[in-house]
Amino acid sequence: DTAVSQTPKYLVTQMGNDKSIKCEQNLGHDTMYWYKQDSKKFLKIMFSYNNKELIINETVPNRFSPKSPDKAHLNLHINSLELGDSAVYFCASSQDRRAGGTDTQYFGPGTRLTVL
Amino acid sequence: EDQVTQSPEALRLQEGESSSLNCSYTVSGLRGLFWYRQDPGKGPEFLFTLYSAGEEKEKERLKATLTKKESFLHITAPKPEDSATYLCAVLTNFGNEKLTFGTGTRLTIIP
Repeated sequence: DTAVSQTPKYLVTQMGNDKSIKCEQNLGHDTMYWYKQDSKKFLKIMFSYNNKELIINETVPNRFSPKSPDKAHLNLHINSLELGDSAVYFCASSQDRRAGGTDTQYFGPGTRLTVL
Repeated sequence: EDQVTQSPEALRLQEGESSSLNCSYTVSGLRGLFWYRQDPGKGPEFLFTLYSAGEEKEKERLKATLTKKESFLHITAPKPEDSATYLCAVLTNFGNEKLTFGTGTRLTIIP
């Protein structure tokens, strides 16, 4: 019954590799997000998609590419991983108040990425 | 640019000792202010949404209030299980969906 789920929960990889993180929500929301939480626990938006369309891209390197096959899924692909990419990545979803929602963003459990 | 500042950074309370956490914000136009709780190794768990000044929301030992410049999360007679990091975030302007987070308050309740 998990509302927002992510896989994998942990990801350990070498520098230079390419990896993907998957996210799914079963809340029927139109908008999905990726956030990055650094070592100081600060949460910052990376991307936002509304109905499969990119609406926010916050100065994230081109190595990061989100993909939304449908409005319930938003995956994050990362090319040529660097040490500085090590962080916890959270997926979230929400429904706009104008579309009958509450604007509240609900978060997944996170994916801890460690680049060696 | 939107800014959110939370204080204190860390707070240690005895069980049953009530207190308040502060979230002050500077935004162009507030669409909503959100409180989350985050336990170690987990995602932020939604607590409250406040939309306009004067609004209050309550849930068990927690009560959130909102003014035009800040929000407070009041914790009444806390228990050890209330220990967590509490995050405040603001959402501004329809069409801009990003949440701007504060750095959080790490709350520890001592039995």
